[in-house]
Amino acid sequence: SQTIHQWPATLVQPVGSPLSLECTVEGTSNPNLYWYRQAAGRGLQLLFYSVGIGQISSEVPQNLSASRPQDRQFILSSKKLLLSDSGFYLCATTEDSYNEQFFGPGTRLTVL
Amino acid sequence: ELKVEQNPLFLSMQEGKNYTIYCNYSTTSDRLYWYRQDPGKSLESLFVLLSNGAVKQEGRLMASLDTKARLSTLHITAAVHDLSATYFCAVENSNSGYELNFGKGTSLLVTP
Repeated sequence: SQTIHQWPATLVQPVGSPLSLECTVEGTSNPNLYWYRQAAGRGLQLLFYSVGIGQISSEVPQNLSASRPQDRQFILSSKKLLLSDSGFYLCATTEDSYNEQFFGPGTRLTVL
Repeated sequence: ELKVEQNPLFLSMQEGKNYTIYCNYSTTSDRLYWYRQDPGKSLESLFVLLSNGAVKQEGRLMASLDTKARLSTLHITAAVHDLSATYFCAVENSNSGYELNFGKGTSLLVTP
């Protein structure tokens, strides 16, 4: 079975600073990868998904970007963070032919 | 646009009681997923429902899917405190094949 790693686990950043969150997956090849954001007390918002290296689909316009430089690596970035970027960021992947998604441990980001 | 609605959004129930959480969705889909999230934690997959009439049970939880009514239920039997968590349903977006649309979640609190 697969294992999803995310780092850092927690992050406190000032407004206007850059961001880089990393997600790596073990135990699978050519996975679909997803970035979600969960604001405090809210549901999940899909930010990006990727079906292969270099292939990124964006779901909402925002100041975030994503990249997939390797098959099992997915990176979420920002050049300048906003207060509204605070939240719990979850990376997910699918394992089987159907789309049951498995989630990593998450990164809690606070923008001050 | 595929919309997923859960109700109730908040539920406080006594130990030993039964209750049902509902998940309605707006467009045709044959696949639905239930997740559990403990406070401050990531999402854990509970059930995968892949066809009309599917029923899955694990312990005190039972999930079912009626694709014709576009409705899934999560039934809780004889609730215990350990079931306190937020429960999300997610519906596969048949247009994209890759995306899940999540409900806003039901926060369940089981009290003595």
